[in-house]
Amino acid sequence: QQQVKQSPQSLIVQKGGISIINCAYENTAFDYFPWYQQFPGKGPALLIAIRPDVSEKKEGRFTISFNKSAKQFSLHIMDSQPGDSATYFCAASSGNTGKLIFGQGTTLQVKP
Amino acid sequence: DSGVTQTPKHLITATGQRVTLRCSPRSGDLSVYWYQQSLDQGLQFLIQYYNGEERAKGNILERFSAQQFPDLHSELNLSSLELGDSALYFCASSVTLTSGGLGEQFFGPGTRLTVL
Repeated sequence: QQQVKQSPQSLIVQKGGISIINCAYENTAFDYFPWYQQFPGKGPALLIAIRPDVSEKKEGRFTISFNKSAKQFSLHIMDSQPGDSATYFCAASSGNTGKLIFGQGTTLQVKP
Repeated sequence: DSGVTQTPKHLITATGQRVTLRCSPRSGDLSVYWYQQSLDQGLQFLIQYYNGEERAKGNILERFSAQQFPDLHSELNLSSLELGDSALYFCASSVTLTSGGLGEQFFGPGTRLTVL
């Protein structure tokens, strides 16, 4: 029940296209859903996050869509750029600690 | 640069040995987290400390232990090392105990541990 399932494992998108990564969770106690971006040799960095009281959050080219009833959330990267090529992790957290449960990661390659 | 520092950057050791990984959180952050990243297990939460006290525990092996000192830096001790312990170990820090808002976690650059 603690799992967060992420798909696809890898994704290739053309420059200017839309990248979509999906996550699903089981634990209805989760109340915080961040997305992290990780470049090779670096630690993960927070990209955008959402709480379940809203269905969508947009920051620049990055949008989280959240479907509470389906227990799913997704990351959309609009106008994808080669510099967006990285590994993306969804995560979830709940309760009175900051413990993050991560999805398995998606390796995104944006072709010029 | 996240402001979280980790030492050493790389560590190569033999099976059965013990190592200590060190983390200095961002200035003002009271929470420190340890995560393990491996190819087969992904990013896994190990343990969280808040202002010197253990607050959450994940799938941390009994051979592993951690502590947070009064100056808020943290150490992760790995003993009786096995080949399968080879991984990237990340430290993260945040201001608050819980996630979101001021609880945003900032990750360090990691320590790559190789057990031969």
